[in-house]
Amino acid sequence: DAGVIQSPRHEVTEMGQEVTLRCKPISGHNSLFWYRQTMMRGLELLIYFNNNVPIDDSGMPEDRFSAKMPNASFSTLKIQPSEPRDSAVYFCASSTQGLGTEAFFGQGTRLTVV
Amino acid sequence: GDSVTQMEGPVTLSEEAFLTINCTYTATGYPSLFWYVQYPGEGLQLLLKATKADDKGSNKGFEATYRKETTSFHLEKGSVQVSDSAVYFCALSDRRTTDSWGKFQFGAGTQVVVTP
Repeated sequence: DAGVIQSPRHEVTEMGQEVTLRCKPISGHNSLFWYRQTMMRGLELLIYFNNNVPIDDSGMPEDRFSAKMPNASFSTLKIQPSEPRDSAVYFCASSTQGLGTEAFFGQGTRLTVV
Repeated sequence: GDSVTQMEGPVTLSEEAFLTINCTYTATGYPSLFWYVQYPGEGLQLLLKATKADDKGSNKGFEATYRKETTSFHLEKGSVQVSDSAVYFCALSDRRTTDSWGKFQFGAGTQVVVTP
């Protein structure tokens, strides 16, 4: 299996632009997570889906952030408009549901907003 | 809410030294516990896990025991190598409801630097 695939690996954009991050989870996994990692705040859970349905989006920082999962094999995280403070590494992870199951992480997207 | 506290880094060690990274948690209910490792420029990888009290997770020479009485899951390795230099994250998985299973709470991470 190729693992969790994220694209792009790096993104540099100007403040005010729309940014879309993409994730393909591992086939057969029915939970998907979006995390943000910064030096200041560590690893933060932004949102997670079970069976394509958003379960908890309490970590989404503000209305500029939105996430979708139109089907079991694809999810997007969109930031519109982007701001310099959104600069971070964004990780997508997936897992099966069940007791003690672990999450498998993608390589991350390093976002820089200038 | 659930939380994980782990010792701050960086932890700097010489090769073949003994490594301990402390991790304690607070949780309502009975969480599963995990250690993840992150190498530079990469995502997090599962190192080991334990799902019930007194379980010992082990992998690549690392071990951690689920201690319910002390709410701890300390990571240990008897003899570290330079290749163990990485950031280590302690995490728990909320098991209160079936929708919560797999929702992970991570500690802040501990950077480990092993010198030759």
